[in-house]
Amino acid sequence: GAGVSQSPSNKVTEKGKDVELRCDPISGHTALYWYRQSLGQGLEFLIYFQGNSAPDKSGLPSDRFSAERTGGSVSTLTIQRTQQEDSAVYLCASSQGLVMNNEQFFGPGTRLTVL
Amino acid sequence: AQSVSQHNHHVILSEAASLELGCNYSYGGTVNLFWYVQYPGQHLQLLLKYFSGDPLVKGIKGFEAEFIKSKFSFNLRKPSVQWSDTAEYFCAASPARQLTFGSGTQLTVLP
Repeated sequence: GAGVSQSPSNKVTEKGKDVELRCDPISGHTALYWYRQSLGQGLEFLIYFQGNSAPDKSGLPSDRFSAERTGGSVSTLTIQRTQQEDSAVYLCASSQGLVMNNEQFFGPGTRLTVL
Repeated sequence: AQSVSQHNHHVILSEAASLELGCNYSYGGTVNLFWYVQYPGQHLQLLLKYFSGDPLVKGIKGFEAEFIKSKFSFNLRKPSVQWSDTAEYFCAASPARQLTFGSGTQLTVLP
């Protein structure tokens, strides 16, 4: 089937605005992850969802960041009152189970630019 | 702090040269290790992974990596690179439920 999809592919916003980034995982994958890739840096873990368990939000950089996963499938990452340092590529990944035992499949990412 | 280190930020090789990219991790317990590759304009994709067993792991496109527990290393190797191997390579570890990535190594292969 289709891979992980993300929308929009690019988002330009003004400082202080809210943005929503969407991720559609591979059908049947129970685990969903959000990462951030800033220029010249590796991927930084943000949050993950596993089935119906409470999400692990330990990687979220501030309370301006939040995410939800509806119906165990689609996820939305919301950034409120965006700042210039939020500019990055936001990647979503999914796996059949926890990454400890399963491969993560990555989406193409959303490139966020905060002016 | 637990981390994954990739010491080579940019490597430039000629075609047919041998490749070795370094990766070190700082976790003391059981850890799963991965190498991902991101070709220009494409998604991150898995090259190879180590969970247990034979410490020499073979992946796609002729890549291999060796897990050396005593050195906390998981270096990526390829005996003869091609121009199409030009990409960014990320080492990652999962001692917990999410992946921790290194900062990446940009490999440029000159034709």
